[in-house]
Amino acid sequence: DGGITQSPKYLFRKEGQNVTLSCEQNLNHDAMYWYRQDPGQGLRLIYYSQIVNDFQKGDIAEGYSVSREKKESFPLTVTSAQKNPTAFYLCASSTPRQGVYEQYFGPGTRLTVT
Amino acid sequence: GQSLEQPSEVTAVEGAIVQINCTYQTSGFYGLSWYQQHDGGAPTFLSYNALDGLEETGRFSSFLSRSDSYGYLLLQELQMKDSASYFCAVRQTMDTGRRALTFGSGTRLQVQP
Repeated sequence: DGGITQSPKYLFRKEGQNVTLSCEQNLNHDAMYWYRQDPGQGLRLIYYSQIVNDFQKGDIAEGYSVSREKKESFPLTVTSAQKNPTAFYLCASSTPRQGVYEQYFGPGTRLTVT
Repeated sequence: GQSLEQPSEVTAVEGAIVQINCTYQTSGFYGLSWYQQHDGGAPTFLSYNALDGLEETGRFSSFLSRSDSYGYLLLQELQMKDSASYFCAVRQTMDTGRRALTFGSGTRLQVQP
């Protein structure tokens, strides 16, 4: 079955530690995205990548970093510079055929930093 | 910048019809998408409008008026499972350089028996 996997589902870290969230897709999609969602809020774009070895900052990139070395993988690192890292993180992908308007989302990772 | 406005909450009864509105302000508007998200779950794509008018997909329909910078999602024959949050999202034109959606803050729909 094709889809997007994010692991782990729940992640706990101490303040001051960097943490990397995994996102893998086997849909053969070119574009991948990272969003942050806070309780009762919409999705805010952190980073996105249209092709391998290329990515662009979204609306709230500060304190985050990404890499896109493989088409299937788009890991997100939440650095210690991110002031309020506790949130629900969603990864998504899309194909050029649908453009960006139809995105497929992974199940999300809920990060708690104390 | 861009901004999207949706009502924060809507309540309706099973079997009824509900309309969720979305107004947007953005440069280089190309189209409007709608997504559904159940509590704790991932958003799923519902519909997309790039042209004015109504698009129907089963019980769900989506409408766009480009001249009014306005769209809505219409849910008919409401079922309890439709209780979820609904997000509109703007797609911009290629010349803006943005190859990603901008999401609204969402409308929480509660369907009552």
